[in-house]
Amino acid sequence: SQTIHQWPATLVQPVGSPLSLECTVEGTSNPNLYWYRQAAGRGLQLLFYSVGIGQISSEVPQNLSASRPQDRQFILSSKKLLLSDSGFYLCAWSTGGGYTFGSGTRLTVV
Amino acid sequence: DQQVKQNSPSLSVQEGRISILNCDYTNSMFDYFLWYKKYPAEGPTFLISISSIKDKNEDGRFTVFLNKSAKHLSLHIVPSQPGDSAVYFCAASVGLTSGSRLTFGEGTQLTVNP
Repeated sequence: SQTIHQWPATLVQPVGSPLSLECTVEGTSNPNLYWYRQAAGRGLQLLFYSVGIGQISSEVPQNLSASRPQDRQFILSSKKLLLSDSGFYLCAWSTGGGYTFGSGTRLTVV
Repeated sequence: DQQVKQNSPSLSVQEGRISILNCDYTNSMFDYFLWYKKYPAEGPTFLISISSIKDKNEDGRFTVFLNKSAKHLSLHIVPSQPGDSAVYFCAASVGLTSGSRLTFGEGTQLTVNP
């Protein structure tokens, strides 16, 4: 079956610390993968998408980066977190009939 | 440029009554529309969709209506239940393939009161 895993579920990090969020999918090959952020009281903002290994497109300029080292692995990173990076981060993959989302990571930068 | 807009950030209804969530879009190329439901601290889950060749799609208590001329769609929930309380996102895409990207609205917080 096709599943998507995202971790950790919650994370509290100090300002200036690095970040690494991981997303993996199972049961499919060469999926289109996405990172979204939902800031408090806001909608879903597309951060990055990837159509294949090493292929990353950024939607908005920001303090974050993404990488896709393997076909079914998508990583969201930052070298130095800002307070404004706090939010709920979601990984998703495209199934041809919409997206399937991971369970999300609540990031709080303090 | 917000191509998909949900102008009501929140909606409150009584249990058993109808909930109507609205969504407007500007891109006339959009031909596939979806609604997602999101509980706090969880990822959104797919609820119902509609293709532009139809004007209505029904699944149990949920019905989506599409008015292409007005570039407007709505989600009706009848009867509303307290468990329906969640954020509802409208989304649109051009085409329906694994490469189709979804554009989301800002979401509407639905609260169903017992």
